[in-house]
Amino acid sequence: GAVVSQHPSWVICKSGTSVKIECRSLDFQATTMFWYRQFPKQSLMLMATSNEGSKATYEQGVEKDKFLINHASLTLSTLTVTSAHPEDSSFYICSASVGTYGYTFGSGTRLTVV
Amino acid sequence: TQLLEQSPQFLSIQEGENLTVYCNSSSVFSSLQWYRQEPGEGPVLLVTVVTGGEVKKLKRLTFQFGDARKDSSLHITAAQPGDTGLYLCAGAFGNEKLTFGTGTRLTIIP
Repeated sequence: GAVVSQHPSWVICKSGTSVKIECRSLDFQATTMFWYRQFPKQSLMLMATSNEGSKATYEQGVEKDKFLINHASLTLSTLTVTSAHPEDSSFYICSASVGTYGYTFGSGTRLTVV
Repeated sequence: TQLLEQSPQFLSIQEGENLTVYCNSSSVFSSLQWYRQEPGEGPVLLVTVVTGGEVKKLKRLTFQFGDARKDSSLHITAAQPGDTGLYLCAGAFGNEKLTFGTGTRLTIIP
């Protein structure tokens, strides 16, 4: 149980375009979801926390206008990278809190901006 | 921002050897988790520890949470090539955001 499905698994886009990444909770309701970014050979860095029906809370240094997060339902959260540039190329991972101390992670999205 | 420092950052050992990875922070966490991540995939939970001094075992892996709930260790006995991967500790306050450690990249040489 508690599976998060993340799509797409990889995407290549041209510089200046926008890309949307979706995370769906398949068998539970995700009130809170987290979005992480991971550069090669580095750890996961939290970008933002999204709560269903309210605005996302962004970590310091993360541009909220560039990384748009929407959590309109209890089963879907989306991250849109707007006006993508090569430096936005990274591995993006979503996560949902489950139970008291549990977290479940999506399989990640490899974004390459050319 | 809470920081979790892991050491060593990189570790390469022969199959059959033992190893310990450390995760240290100046913050007190309500829970601490260890994950293993393969390239191109999301992290997979290995264990969650919540009580100071707690020790949990998962086959050849032993996890310990420090008494003050600020640090943790992962000990692997008789390492195998299948243990190769990126090991991440992560701390949280209740069900709040999870802060990840700096990571330890482990390579087991056959």
